[in-house]
Amino acid sequence: AQSVTQLGSHVSVSEGALVLLRCNYSSSVPPYLFWYVQYPNQGLQLLLKYTTGATLVKGINGFEAEFKKSETSFHLTKPSAHMSDAAEYFCAVGSTGGFKTIFGAGTRLFVKA
Amino acid sequence: DSGVTQTPKHLITATGQRVTLRCSPRSGDLSVYWYQQSLDQGLQFLIHYYNGEERAKGNILERFSAQQFPDLHSELNLSSLELGDSALYFCASSLRTSGSTDTQYFGPGTRLTVL
Repeated sequence: AQSVTQLGSHVSVSEGALVLLRCNYSSSVPPYLFWYVQYPNQGLQLLLKYTTGATLVKGINGFEAEFKKSETSFHLTKPSAHMSDAAEYFCAVGSTGGFKTIFGAGTRLFVKA
Repeated sequence: DSGVTQTPKHLITATGQRVTLRCSPRSGDLSVYWYQQSLDQGLQFLIHYYNGEERAKGNILERFSAQQFPDLHSELNLSSLELGDSALYFCASSLRTSGSTDTQYFGPGTRLTVL
């Protein structure tokens, strides 16, 4: 079985500060890992996706995530937060042969001026 | 704009009633997924259809049912509605059969309020 844990339901950073959203996964097979973002009153959209190969994945809007197999982690980072980054972020895991993507509980990011 | 459309945007109804939510996937996508999002339960996977056939079921109540039609649009039917069914219902679509490895494209959601 697969699972995802997002550490911290709420994260608050100042504008210009580093954004770090934590995600740990559990999977008995090689995982596919996703980060999705949900802006207020909108559906989720893909930020980035890890399949195989390079462990550092770059996404849209300056976000990136690093797959660390030894730590079973896929943390999301952005060097400098913008006010427009305020949203809810979901980590998710899937695998070849699996039929459903498992989403984490989400982390709401607040950006202070 | 993800290319996934959902209607209606908002729905207000009473307990005990039945409603139908509609989803049109992105052009070319064969898979449709339904999710329920509420404050207390978070994002819950309900059901996945691929090219008209049910592929996976999640936490879908027996009062809820879904189908995917030959033109690939999908409908989620919710019956005997309870106050606790009030939530945002999202539809997502993807190209292939594997809901697990595909990127999913989400619609804007239908906000259901049960009074």
